[in-house]
Amino acid sequence: EAGVTQSPTHLIKTRGQQATLRCSPISGHTSVYWYQQALGLGLQFLLWYDEGEERNRGNFPPRFSGRQFPNYSSELNVNALELEDSALYLCASSLEGRYYGYTFGSGTRLTVV
Amino acid sequence: RKEVEQDPGPFNVPEGATVAFNCTYSNSASQSFFWYRQDCRKEPKLLMSVYSSGNEDGRFTAQLNRASQYISLLIRDSKLSDSATYLCVVIFYSGGYQKVTFGIGTKLQVIP
Repeated sequence: EAGVTQSPTHLIKTRGQQATLRCSPISGHTSVYWYQQALGLGLQFLLWYDEGEERNRGNFPPRFSGRQFPNYSSELNVNALELEDSALYLCASSLEGRYYGYTFGSGTRLTVV
Repeated sequence: RKEVEQDPGPFNVPEGATVAFNCTYSNSASQSFFWYRQDCRKEPKLLMSVYSSGNEDGRFTAQLNRASQYISLLIRDSKLSDSATYLCVVIFYSGGYQKVTFGIGTKLQVIP
């Protein structure tokens, strides 16, 4: 069974640009979660999508947004990039929005210069 | 007070030593608890769940102390390969809403 896959692995952007990160959940999972892990900080919850709807979002500004497609894959968009957006962005998936113990993708390392 | 607190370490221990980490949580209604392991520049991977009765998986033992609101992870006979950051996760459920909170992680370095 394929795990959670994320792309790209690395992304370098300049300040003010937009970044798009992608996530494919484990087959059969309907919920996708996005987390940010900045250097020296813990995992910060960004967004939760389930059945195509945004169910919850963390304490991040509106320039962090995303969507979930009919095949349950998801996209995270970060607009007007700032240097402090540099971080590892992790995606996880689960069944029906319940936490069973996340399996994370390998992440996208975003660097803003 | 933070919702979930961990000593970031690093804990430097010799091979073969026993080491224990704690993770305290502030919400007494939290219901589920887990430990993750994260290697440098990699994604976190689920290590083990934490049950009320405590649970063991080989050299790893996880325990929950609800009265004092902390969970612990004990590693016996430390191996070099145990060097990683250990994250605790605390889950709170209420009426279909769930809140998943990760600790900052405790870094373990096992020394030859």
